Amino acid sequence: DAGVTQSPTHLIKTRGQQVTLRCSPKSGHDTVSWYQQALGQGPQFIFQYYEEEERQRGNFPDRFSGHQFPNYSSELNVNALELDDSALYLCASNPGRGGEETQYFGPGTRLLVL
Amino acid sequence: LAKTTQPISMDSYEGQEVNITCSHNNIATNDYITWYQQFPSQGPRFIIQGYKTKVTNEVASLFIPADRKSSTLSLPRVSLSDTAVYYCLVGSVSGSARQLTFGSGTQLTVLP
Repeated sequence: DAGVTQSPTHLIKTRGQQVTLRCSPKSGHDTVSWYQQALGQGPQFIFQYYEEEERQRGNFPDRFSGHQFPNYSSELNVNALELDDSALYLCASNPGRGGEETQYFGPGTRLLVL
Repeated sequence: LAKTTQPISMDSYEGQEVNITCSHNNIATNDYITWYQQFPSQGPRFIIQGYKTKVTNEVASLFIPADRKSSTLSLPRVSLSDTAVYYCLVGSVSGSARQLTFGSGTQLTVLP
């Protein structure tokens, strides 16, 4: 049973560029959440997708957008990259209807913006 | 979402029991307490969750006093591999639309 997977593992971009990160949820999970974790800090909630719609959003600018596909996988897009966007981006999944509430995290994508 | 306060860091030796306490004075009636563990460059891993009294699983125990304004994660007989950041989270389990609010966590260092 595969857990949450993310790609790529590492990424280097320059300021102003755009980036797309990908996530496949744990088998049986249909809800995907994205978090940003800066060095030395706890993860910060970006947004959550369920049934291909953004259901909740944290305090992040519109440069951060996402998408969820019919197979429940998800993408995180960041436009006009800034130096402060350098962080570990984590994807987490959980069942959308009933079941356990625990969120399972992927290994993350390390983004470096130069 | 209730704010949590936990020590920034703790040191322990192999084989000892480690207790990490978290304060959450503004916890709401329907809030649960959840602890996650995170190793460097990895995603957080669920350890344990509880509402009141004591919860125990194969990894840890969670002690919650009657007023629920604090909680203590207990790790029995720690090893070097338990060196990690431990996060205490408080929030309602309201279906799938629940976001996790992480604080800065406690860096536990286990020494030989």
